[in-house]
Amino acid sequence: QQQVKQSPQSLIVQKGGISIINCAYENTAFDYFPWYQQFPGKGPALLIAIRPDVSEKKEGRFTISFNKSAKQFSLHIMDSQPGDSATYFCAASYNNQFYFGTGTSLTVIP
Amino acid sequence: DAGITQSPRHKVTETGTPVTLRCHQTENHRYMYWYRQDPGHGLRLIHYSYGVKDTDKGEVSDGYSVSRSKTEDFLLTLESATSSQTSVYFCANRRQGSYEQYFGPGTRLTVT
Repeated sequence: QQQVKQSPQSLIVQKGGISIINCAYENTAFDYFPWYQQFPGKGPALLIAIRPDVSEKKEGRFTISFNKSAKQFSLHIMDSQPGDSATYFCAASYNNQFYFGTGTSLTVIP
Repeated sequence: DAGITQSPRHKVTETGTPVTLRCHQTENHRYMYWYRQDPGHGLRLIHYSYGVKDTDKGEVSDGYSVSRSKTEDFLLTLESATSSQTSVYFCANRRQGSYEQYFGPGTRLTVT
């Protein structure tokens, strides 16, 4: 049973466009929602994260939108660049454990 | 930077053999984690540790055991490897009081 559902599985965006990746969860005990970026052959790297008492967090071109009532959160990448091409994972945490989505492969076309 | 090294980075082994993967951190972070990554499943928690000799199971712990005798080392053991344990294994650490988790470079394990 996947505790965090992520979509889409893959995404192709033109350079300069906006990339949007969505995640949904059921467990209301989750209290931390990070996003990770992973390049081929590397470990995941923490990109940005949010707590459930905040509806939006922005760091540079990356924004998390969080909807507590809908139990959904999303990653927006503004002005997408070819260097953003990677796999992105959402996750949710409680009680020292982390549950990951299945990943989104993002390709940014020059 | 996680300050994490994993060894070996690649391993091929036969079904039924024991395998131990090592995770070493240069920091003295309290929490350490072992995950496996498989296509279509993302990362799944196998076991984690919240201190020396303190460990707990994750969502896919069957067939795996762990040990942590020193703060800096976290070992993952497959007592009798099976083909279903072919995967990429990642170690991660986390400082007490922080939610931020940092990953190592991974170990690609193939069980034939």
